[in-house]
Amino acid sequence: EDQVTQSPEALRLQEGESSSLNCSYTVSGLRGLFWYRQDPGKGPEFLFTLYSAGEEKEKERLKATLTKKESFLHITAPKPEDSATYLCAVFTSGTYKYIFGTGTRLKVLA
Amino acid sequence: NAGVTQTPKFQVLKTGQSMTLQCAQDMNHNSMYWYRQDPGMGLRLIYYSASEGTTDKGEVPNGYNVSRLNKREFSLRLESAAPSQTSVYFCASSATGTDNEQFFGPGTRLTVL
Repeated sequence: EDQVTQSPEALRLQEGESSSLNCSYTVSGLRGLFWYRQDPGKGPEFLFTLYSAGEEKEKERLKATLTKKESFLHITAPKPEDSATYLCAVFTSGTYKYIFGTGTRLKVLA
Repeated sequence: NAGVTQTPKFQVLKTGQSMTLQCAQDMNHNSMYWYRQDPGMGLRLIYYSASEGTTDKGEVPNGYNVSRLNKREFSLRLESAAPSQTSVYFCASSATGTDNEQFFGPGTRLTVL
């Protein structure tokens, strides 16, 4: 069964304290892995798509990487405005369906 | 360019009542989706429409029906609401191609008493 697991569930960082969020997946055929940011009371907002192992993408303080089993979202020198829930999703071969993880709630303290 | 819009933003129903959640997108996307989001459960797919004129069940379709009215609009109907359907509902759309990112609406917060 296709599955996506995110860890940790919650993470508190001091401003400037870099860390990484993990998304591990077990799927029959990966077509794409997506990272989204979700602010309270809002819909998820797209961040990155990764398609193959070894691929990396960056946007401001965020960097996403992909291996054959997992993806990491690295946050460098975070700021309080980076506080949000970060969601990971996979899209598998032969379906039109995305499978979402339960997210990591990130809180960055000033 | 409004992206994905949803109405209403909030709704309270009594058990057994019916209602329709509306969703529209102005990005000329072919695929549209309905999800529910519950604490600790993540986003779960209810129904999706890969293209105009087609709809398919997702992970949790029981108690729901959908209509792809045209390319822009995709509605979700609860025929007889139950407390277990209390949730936040999100509509999303994506361009042609099964590996494109999704664009989400702001959500509808539904409470069933």
